[in-house]
Amino acid sequence: DTGVSQDPRHKITKRGQNVTFRCDPISEHNRLYWYRQTLGQGPEFLTYFQNEAQLEKSRLLSDRFSAERPKGSFSTLEIQRTEQGDSAMYLCASSSPPTNHQETQYFGPGTRLLVL
Amino acid sequence: AQTVTQSQPEMSVQEAETVTLSCTYDTSESNYYLFWYKQPPSRQMILVIRQEAYKQQNATENRFSVNFQKAAKSFSLKISDSQLGDTAMYFCAFMKLTGTASKLTFGTGTRLQVTL
Repeated sequence: DTGVSQDPRHKITKRGQNVTFRCDPISEHNRLYWYRQTLGQGPEFLTYFQNEAQLEKSRLLSDRFSAERPKGSFSTLEIQRTEQGDSAMYLCASSSPPTNHQETQYFGPGTRLLVL
Repeated sequence: AQTVTQSQPEMSVQEAETVTLSCTYDTSESNYYLFWYKQPPSRQMILVIRQEAYKQQNATENRFSVNFQKAAKSFSLKISDSQLGDTAMYFCAFMKLTGTASKLTFGTGTRLQVTL
């Protein structure tokens, strides 16, 4: 079990550019979540997948944001036409279906985005 | 919608002492989980402890224990015998219990500093 991995760990981009982040969940975890964390705040939910199906999107996820999980394994989060307000830590988490009413989300190290 | 409130932005405790972090939440749900996550400086979020709302017994994990008061919607974390490695941001989080994937709702966090 190698844990949740995210790539890249850091990204600096200029306003207006597109960026794409990747998340590899724990193997055999069929649930995958994206959160955004700004400085001094708790993570805020963006979207989640069960297998390849995107089941919920937050209102925070504007039309400039798109997430995919094409084969039910890794996921990508793309931000088009980045804005300075997109600067944040983007966290990915994965989980497996709950057993004994227990579900735990395991987090990756995050991708820190800075938009100049 | 659920809300999670952590009213202590920062706390400090001496090594080997005990500290309690506060968390209150608001929900109309009857079945849910509550979590405490730890985020060390520049490191990823890890689960500290979990409580199922249907369980009356307070969860414990080694030096970590919770005081879960369902009627008061309160969920505090007690850290006993504090260690320097406990220095981190601590986030309280809520998850609705559903049959499908469910998002975490986080508080704003408490920064804990353990001193010599």
